[in-house]
Amino acid sequence: EIVMTQSPDTLSVSPGERATLSCRASQSVNSKLAWYQQKPGQAPRLLIYGASTRATGVPARFSGSGSGTEFTLTISSLQSEDFAVYHCQQYSYWWTFGQGTKVEVK
Amino acid sequence: EVQLVESGGGLVQPGGSLRLSCAASGFSFSRYWMIWVRQAPGQGLEWVADIKHDASDEYYVDSVKGRFTISRDNAKNSLYLQMNTLRAEDTAVYYCARLTQWIELSYYMDVWGKGTTVTVSS
Repeated sequence: EIVMTQSPDTLSVSPGERATLSCRASQSVNSKLAWYQQKPGQAPRLLIYGASTRATGVPARFSGSGSGTEFTLTISSLQSEDFAVYHCQQYSYWWTFGQGTKVEVK
Repeated sequence: EVQLVESGGGLVQPGGSLRLSCAASGFSFSRYWMIWVRQAPGQGLEWVADIKHDASDEYYVDSVKGRFTISRDNAKNSLYLQMNTLRAEDTAVYYCARLTQWIELSYYMDVWGKGTTVTVSS
């Protein structure tokens, strides 16, 4: 099983600031990495696939980078609607998710 | 509008059974692999089972093999998860999701339902 580890567990950021979330895979997943946003009581929403491609309708302030085992999700200027939990997921070998990073208001 | 709507969750005793359903609309359901993902309280997301577009192949996480069965009815645009011999550790919100192919036969989840809650408790 490919283990996905996200850091930090919680990120406190002020609105308008930049947020950088990290995700590490226990072995290479090439670029088969997705990011999802999840708000309380809601389903996950696809943000990024292929490590860096934004899904349809996702604002340009969200960007993904990385390949192999190290990945980053950057939110350039946090808006109020961006405070949520973010999950990374590899789809190179079956599917496994990170434990999630909660982005909260500082 | 592309939409997935789950139903069938509820409270069940250990050892009991439940059948979850997922109604798809707004896309050609029969062309897509589909998947069930669950999220236990306060935990991360976990793949449970997936099924090929024509139902000819299905796969399960080890913890549910022999207890859960995924199926689909393309004529009804519906996905199902039959859950037998339920355990407390199966307590979770269950989501159905659509799988979209990327490169090298890899698939990511691009559309999700809102989920249905399964609670296994006496």
